[in-house]
Amino acid sequence: AQSVTQPDIHITVSEGASLELRCNYSYGATPYLFWYVQSPGQGLQLLLKYFSGDTLVQGIKGFEAEFKRSQSSFNLRKPSVHWSDAAEYFCAVGSGGSYIPTFGRGTSLIVHP
Amino acid sequence: SQTIHQWPATLVQPVGSPLSLECTVEGTSNPNLYWYRQAAGRGLQLLFYSVGIGQISSEVPQNLSASRPQDRQFILSSKKLLLSDSGFYLCAWEADTKNIQYFGAGTRLSVL
Repeated sequence: AQSVTQPDIHITVSEGASLELRCNYSYGATPYLFWYVQSPGQGLQLLLKYFSGDTLVQGIKGFEAEFKRSQSSFNLRKPSVHWSDAAEYFCAVGSGGSYIPTFGRGTSLIVHP
Repeated sequence: SQTIHQWPATLVQPVGSPLSLECTVEGTSNPNLYWYRQAAGRGLQLLFYSVGIGQISSEVPQNLSASRPQDRQFILSSKKLLLSDSGFYLCAWEADTKNIQYFGAGTRLSVL
C-alpha cells in the first residue's frame, strides 16, 4: 500500500527566506506525486505534479519540487517566500488507474514579516 | 472549463438532526467523485468515493452515507448527526486516470 509522510507539522519562515517542505512516500513502483496548497477555510489547489521524465518540476506561484527516487522524496521548494504563501501544504501520492491517491497529514506554513 | 460547486459553505446543525451536503461538477463527464473530512489540525480523511452513478465505496464505518444520483452530483448525508461529525467537508473530482484531484471550497459543519 502506498503511504505519504510529511514529517513537519509546522514550519515557520521569514518573508523573503527560502522554503523547503519535506515529503517522503512509500510505493513499490514509480509513483505519481502531487503537492496541494490549502488557504484557511478553502479547498485544496494543485501546485504541481510529477508523473515521469524530468525530476525537477515547476508549479504555480513560483514553487518547484524535486523527485528523488533514491530517497523516496518529493520535497517542495520556493526560493523566496511571500506572506501570502502562509497556508497548509499537502503532499500526495498516486499510481494512476483505479488507485486512490493518498494524502499526507499536511504541513502548516507560517510566514513572519 | 470544469468547475465544482459545493454547498452550503457553512452549516450549524443540532445533534440528532439530518444532514445533506451537495456537490456538483460541471464541464466534464463520468468523473470520479470523493468526499473527504478534515478535522482541525489534521489531514484529509477519505470518507467515500464513487466511480459512477449509484456506485459508492465507503472507506470508514461511520454515521454518514453518500449517494450519486446523477453523473455529476455527489451527496453526503446523515439521518442523525453526532457531535463528532463536526468538521470541514471537502468534495473533489478526478477526470482521468492520473489521480489529479480538483477540490470544492468546502463546507464547515458545526454540530452543537
